[in-house]
Amino acid sequence: QKEVEQNSGPLSVPEGAIASLNCTYSDRGSQSFFWYRQYSGKSPELIMSIYSNGDKEDGRFTAQLNKASQYVSLLIRDSQPSDSATYLCAPFSGGYNKLIFGAGTRLAVHP
Amino acid sequence: DAGVIQSPRHEVTEMGQEVTLRCKPISGHDYLFWYRQTMMRGLELLIYFNNNVPIDDSGMPEDRFSAKMPNASFSTLKIQPSEPRDSAVYFCASSFRQGATGELFFGEGSRLTVL
Repeated sequence: QKEVEQNSGPLSVPEGAIASLNCTYSDRGSQSFFWYRQYSGKSPELIMSIYSNGDKEDGRFTAQLNKASQYVSLLIRDSQPSDSATYLCAPFSGGYNKLIFGAGTRLAVHP
Repeated sequence: DAGVIQSPRHEVTEMGQEVTLRCKPISGHDYLFWYRQTMMRGLELLIYFNNNVPIDDSGMPEDRFSAKMPNASFSTLKIQPSEPRDSAVYFCASSFRQGATGELFFGEGSRLTVL
């Protein structure tokens, strides 16, 4: 079992729709969770963090966390073509004392 | 702030040659990370330093890889001898209190091709 699992995609959504990106993790000791966005040929950049169960909203982005289910998700409302990128889920593993990156989900938003 | 600076941006070399990748972290950051990214394996942590001291090198593939951080503003990742399977994008990242915020600032990466 991989430590962090994400659907590789591509996830294709029309412009204006909601994109839903999912992630499961294996380390129950993880307390902090992060979403990074990586455009093709570029480096990853942090877009969201979440520490507590429930939802956290930031503009068009909402992160959702369920520690009991070891599940974290990212919703992007009103998706834009500029959101087309790979989204990396990264729990901070208490056991390993480091971020563990998932393989990423590629999102394609078409006009 | 100039951000994390990596060099070279692209490197093409032949199998068996030595490769040295360089990184200048953001001033004031006390953590420095070296990652490798491939299509097959995604983003893998190779090694990280805290205050110039290597903390976890469990991701370093084998003895052909070595990393140093002689001071707070410079780090190198060396591969000797290089092999075709080392072809990847190597990212350097830095952070302040990595565990607290999880925010890593990545350089633009060094794309390595070993023929």
